[in-house]
Amino acid sequence: DAGVIQSPRHEVTEMGQEVTLRCKPISGHDYLFWYRQTMMRGLELLIYFNNNVPIDDSGMPEDRFSAKMPNASFSTLKIQPSEPRDSAVYFCASRRDRGGEQFFGPGTRLTVL
Amino acid sequence: QQQVKQSPQSLIVQKGGISIINCAYENTAFDYFPWYQQFPGKGPALLIAIRPDVSEKKEGRFTISFNKSAKQFSLHIMDSQPGDSATYFCAASRGTGANNLFFGTGTRLTVIP
Repeated sequence: DAGVIQSPRHEVTEMGQEVTLRCKPISGHDYLFWYRQTMMRGLELLIYFNNNVPIDDSGMPEDRFSAKMPNASFSTLKIQPSEPRDSAVYFCASRRDRGGEQFFGPGTRLTVL
Repeated sequence: QQQVKQSPQSLIVQKGGISIINCAYENTAFDYFPWYQQFPGKGPALLIAIRPDVSEKKEGRFTISFNKSAKQFSLHIMDSQPGDSATYFCAASRGTGANNLFFGTGTRLTVIP
């Protein structure tokens, strides 16, 4: 298995632009998680899905952030408009079932200028 | 508010030495305490985990010590090797594989030959 796949690996954009991060979970995994990692706050859960349905989005910082999972093999995290304080590494993780381990992707390093 | 406090922020250890990373938590409802290892450019990967019904868990050179009364847990890496150089995160949640993992801010470990 290729593991969790994220794209792009690096993204540099200017303030105000729309940013879309993509994730392909491990096949057969029912849960998908989006995290943000910064030096100051470490790893924070933004949102997670179960069977493509958003279950808890309480970690999404504000309305500029949105996430979708149109099918079991694809999810997006969108930031519109982006701001410099959104600069971070964004991780996607997936898990097979409720009692399983979360497997993380390699992350997308986002820089907003 | 950081649910899990981790220290030190960075650690340098000689090859063959013992690396010790400490974490503390406040929420007594937490009952699952995993440690993740992250190499540069990679996502975190589960290293070892413990439930509060035991005070210690050992897997190879890695040991978790858990002190329920003090609400503290620590990771010990025996005979540290240069290949152990990575960032280590402790985390806590309610229930194994729980959806909301609260992570510490990470410890960057460097093992020098």
